[in-house]
Amino acid sequence: AQRVTQPEKLLSVFKGAPVELKCNYSYSGSPELFWYVQYSRQRLQLLLRHISRESIKGFTADLNKGETSFHLKKPFAQEEDSAMYYCALKAGAGSYQLTFGKGTKLSVIP
Amino acid sequence: NAGVMQNPRHLVRRRGQEARLRCSPMKGHSHVYWYRQLPEEGLKFMVYLQKENIIDESGMPKERFSAEFPKEGPSILRIQQVVRGDSAAYFCASSTSGARDGGYTFGSGTRLTVV
Repeated sequence: AQRVTQPEKLLSVFKGAPVELKCNYSYSGSPELFWYVQYSRQRLQLLLRHISRESIKGFTADLNKGETSFHLKKPFAQEEDSAMYYCALKAGAGSYQLTFGKGTKLSVIP
Repeated sequence: NAGVMQNPRHLVRRRGQEARLRCSPMKGHSHVYWYRQLPEEGLKFMVYLQKENIIDESGMPKERFSAEFPKEGPSILRIQQVVRGDSAAYFCASSTSGARDGGYTFGSGTRLTVV
């Protein structure tokens, strides 16, 4: 069975400081990893996926299979980045089911 | 395009009552997924439906919970004889295919409170 762990329930950083939201996973096969974000009073939305190797809103995430991690990073935090962030895993290309972590609440202090 | 619409946004039920949660997928999406988020937990998969078919209900509790996605109308998640432990946020998502790229579109959720 797969598992996603986000060790930090809450992360507070100052505006302009670097951000790293941690995500570790457990899965024996080749997973696909995602980050979802939920801004206040808005719906959950896809932020980025590892297969795209994209940068969205200045955020990047690299899949490290050796460390089974998919940490989300941004060099300079902005106030509008304050939100709940969820890491999610899909068990390969043929799967449709997402396994979510418990989420990390990012608070950017002005 | 209004996106995935869920209603009601908030639902309060007394123990023993029935709860009906509705989800209208995005236009053009024929695949619907329900997830439940208990307090302090991540979202957990419940059921995957296509029109008139339940594809995977492996995450549904065995009793009191049922889901449908009729030919016409929204998908319905039905919880009979609710208990306090059913209090949670229930999210619906939709996709054009089996979400092979993980590209779900989520609704805003229904927050069920059982008193």
